[in-house]
Amino acid sequence: DAMVIQNPRYQVTQFGKPVTLSCSQTLNHNVMYWYQQKSSQAPKLLFHYYDKDFNNEADTPDNFQSRRPNTSFCFLDIRSPGLGDAAMYLCATSRDTTGYQETQYFGPGTRLLVL
Amino acid sequence: AQSVTQPDIHITVSEGASLELRCNYSYGATPYLFWYVQSPGQGLQLLLKYFSGDTLVQGIKGFEAEFKRSQSSFNLRKPSVHWSDAAEYFCAVAIPLSGSARQLTFGSGTQLTVLP
Repeated sequence: DAMVIQNPRYQVTQFGKPVTLSCSQTLNHNVMYWYQQKSSQAPKLLFHYYDKDFNNEADTPDNFQSRRPNTSFCFLDIRSPGLGDAAMYLCATSRDTTGYQETQYFGPGTRLLVL
Repeated sequence: AQSVTQPDIHITVSEGASLELRCNYSYGATPYLFWYVQSPGQGLQLLLKYFSGDTLVQGIKGFEAEFKRSQSSFNLRKPSVHWSDAAEYFCAVAIPLSGSARQLTFGSGTQLTVLP
């Protein structure tokens, strides 16, 4: 089945130690998104890739970076994780279509714990 | 700016009872509206969506939602709740980004508890 895959599902890191989260998709969608969801809160968009074009949200901290080496993969890099970065990180994809009727499909998420 | 309000933080219903989850949105243009469900520790699963046309949309798992432009609402309903429906439900509105990419603005979510 076509899907959005996130690895790992759980990630533990130390304060200040760089960490990378991975997302892959078999949907061949050209748009990929990263959301941060803190406990009991709604998901919040960090950035998205439209093909190879990176688009950062204005309030996304510089500590968060992303890479998209090809259509299928997208990575979220947290350069120096702080305690406040502990959250669920959700990857989503959508397909560029006319008529603005695309839908975002989400992966299962990676829960990040910062010690 | 766009916003989504889910007035009910937590709802408890008995299994077999009917359910309605409320969602109100604020957006200047024609909204693209979604309902997602999230089980504990899981990602978001799309229940249904509204782009245009028939204002009553059917989704998966027996859910439906009705778009009412005059009330800026997109309430989710199910006639008979099952224990497996216990989860958190998010309403969202999509706004344009670059190209046809869209930012989803989510409501704060409604936690559904189902009593046996």
